[in-house]
Amino acid sequence: KAGVTQTPRYLIKTRGQQVTLSCSPISGHRSVSWYQQTPGQGLQFLFEYFSETQRNKGNFPGRFSGRQFSNSRSEMNVSTLELGDSALYLCASSLDPGTPLSQHFGDGTRLSIL
Amino acid sequence: DQQVKQNSPSLSVQEGRISILNCDYTNSMFDYFLWYKKYPAEGPTFLISISSIKDKNEDGRFTVFLNKSAKHLSLHIVPSQPGDSAVYFCAASVYGGSQGNLIFGKGTKLSVKP
Repeated sequence: KAGVTQTPRYLIKTRGQQVTLSCSPISGHRSVSWYQQTPGQGLQFLFEYFSETQRNKGNFPGRFSGRQFSNSRSEMNVSTLELGDSALYLCASSLDPGTPLSQHFGDGTRLSIL
Repeated sequence: DQQVKQNSPSLSVQEGRISILNCDYTNSMFDYFLWYKKYPAEGPTFLISISSIKDKNEDGRFTVFLNKSAKHLSLHIVPSQPGDSAVYFCAASVYGGSQGNLIFGKGTKLSVKP
């Protein structure tokens, strides 16, 4: 059974640009969550999607957005990139919302802002 | 306001000895607690969990203890092995709740020396 797949694995952008990251969940998983990992803040929740709807959102500015497609695949977008957006972005999928024990993580996309 | 706190950024232990990683939380609504292990450039992998109705859960060399009155949990690794060297994240969730995301601590980097 394939795991959570995130693409691309690495990305380099410059300030002011925008970026789109992709996440394909485990087959049968319908909920997708996104997290940002930085050395100073650890793992912080960005947002959660289920049935193409955002169910929950963390404390991040509106430059961070996402969406989910009918096949449960998800994308997140960051506009007007800032140096502080350099981080590892992790996607996790689970069977349904509110089932943390079924949550599995991808290996992340390492985003570097120059 | 950090709901899940791991106050020790790092821990160094000799091979064969016990490793104890600590975690404190503030939200009394949390009813599931999970520990994740993370290697560089990989996503977190689930290690062990505990429900709030229990005070101990054991899985091989890993044991998690929960003290609800103190809002404190700890992960014990006995005996510690060099392969255990990684960053360990404590996470909390409300199972079946409207918020399906995990709240993470900032992590503790464990180094097990041969």
